[in-house]
Amino acid sequence: GDSVTQTEGQVALSEEDFLTIHCNYSASGYPALFWYVQYPGEGPQFLFRASRDKEKGSSRGFEATYDKGTTSFHLRKASVQESDSAVYYCALGDGGNTGKLIFGLGTTLQVQP
Amino acid sequence: NSKVIQTPRYLVKGQGQKAKMRCIPEKGHPVVFWYQQNKNNEFKFLINFQNQEVLQQIDMTEKRFSAECPSNSPCSLEIQSSEAGDSALYLCASSPQGARGAEVFFGKGTRLTVV
Repeated sequence: GDSVTQTEGQVALSEEDFLTIHCNYSASGYPALFWYVQYPGEGPQFLFRASRDKEKGSSRGFEATYDKGTTSFHLRKASVQESDSAVYYCALGDGGNTGKLIFGLGTTLQVQP
Repeated sequence: NSKVIQTPRYLVKGQGQKAKMRCIPEKGHPVVFWYQQNKNNEFKFLINFQNQEVLQQIDMTEKRFSAECPSNSPCSLEIQSSEAGDSALYLCASSPQGARGAEVFFGKGTRLTVV
C-alpha cells in the first residue's frame, strides 16, 4: 500500500540554522502531499500542500517542492527559531478522493536558543 | 487555527468499559475523519463520513468501534469494550471536501487511557 518515509526521527538545531527534513513517498497513483506540524498537547496543524509535480508549497517560512521523479517532498526552512520546535509530519492524500491521509512517523525538531 | 472541537480532552476507562468521545467539525465541513495516534506517533485511520454517510472504515472499526455523524448533532466515536491497546490520542478532523488534495483540519484530540 501507499506509504510515507521520514528519514530523520529527531533533528537538533540552533536558532538561525538551516532545516531540512527528508520525506519520500511510495504510492500507486498520483497523490497530493502535505506537511503538518504538531505541538505538545495539540492536534496536527496543516502547514501546506502540493498537488502536482514541481509545485511548491510554503507557509511560515517553510517550503517543500513536489518531486515526482524522486518521489520526495522535503521540508526546508532557511532560518529556524526556537518556536519552531515541534513534531513535523509528511503525509500523502490517498487517491480515493475521500481526503484520507497517510502519515509518516514524524520528525521531532528541537531548536536551541 | 482549527475550529474542530473535541470533548473530553482526557478520558480514563477500565478494561471492558465503554469509552465515548465527541467531535464538532468546523462549520461548513461535510467530511469528518477519526484517526488514532499511538504513543509512537503512528496515525491509524479509523473511519470517515461525508454528510452523515460512512465513506470508508477499517475492520477494527467495524467490530468494537462505532461512530456516527448525525445531522445537527456532534459526531461521536465509541469503543464498546475498551482494551489496553486502545490507549491513544483520538483525533477528529474535518474537511470542506472529500477530494484528493483537500485540506484537513484536526481538533486537539481526546487522550484515552485504559487502565
